Amino acid sequence: AQSVTQPDIHITVSEGASLELRCNYSYGATPYLFWYVQSPGQGLQLLLKYFSGDTLVQGIKGFEAEFKRSQSSFNLRKPSVHWSDAAEYFCAVALRGATNKLIFGTGTLLAVQP
Amino acid sequence: NAGVTQTPKFRILKIGQSMTLQCTQDMNHNYMYWYRQDPGMGLKLIYYSVGAGITDKGEVPNGYNVSRSTTEDFPLRLELAAPSQTSVYFCASSYFRDNLKGNYGYTFGSGTRLTVV
Repeated sequence: AQSVTQPDIHITVSEGASLELRCNYSYGATPYLFWYVQSPGQGLQLLLKYFSGDTLVQGIKGFEAEFKRSQSSFNLRKPSVHWSDAAEYFCAVALRGATNKLIFGTGTLLAVQP
Repeated sequence: NAGVTQTPKFRILKIGQSMTLQCTQDMNHNYMYWYRQDPGMGLKLIYYSVGAGITDKGEVPNGYNVSRSTTEDFPLRLELAAPSQTSVYFCASSYFRDNLKGNYGYTFGSGTRLTVV
């Protein structure tokens, strides 16, 4: 079945530490890939997206993600986390085709310790 | 630019009541979507539309109806509200103008927080 998996429900990191959030997808072909961030009570903000080309994608707020076709993964990284990065992060994929439906993972809640 | 506008932002319904969540976009996007967000579940697709007059079910359509009479508007109707429909609802629209150059994306509304009691 087609799916998007974020295996980590909750992650806690110390401020200044590096961060990697995992995302795996299960689809027949490479979809469009996205990472969104949501602060409590807020809407969704796009961090970055991937369609084709360079597999290392740079986004806003110092985030980057790497697409690995062989692993069907699109992991999000940040070299040094700030307290303001505490939020929920969603990986999403869009199937290329007539509907372009966006399918979300279940999210990873990031807590940042001082 | 208004983008995607959702109204109302908050609503409390009693069981069995009906209501319509409004969604309007001013970007001339053909594709529109309704999602619900529940804690620990991510966002689930309720209904979507690929253009005026065309709608289809998503992952969790039961208890909801939609219509798309114009490109701009995509209202979501709850006919008989149930506690299980307590959620945050997001409307979105999308464009795919130039896939080869990555000119594509989704725009989300700010959400409607609905409580059914």
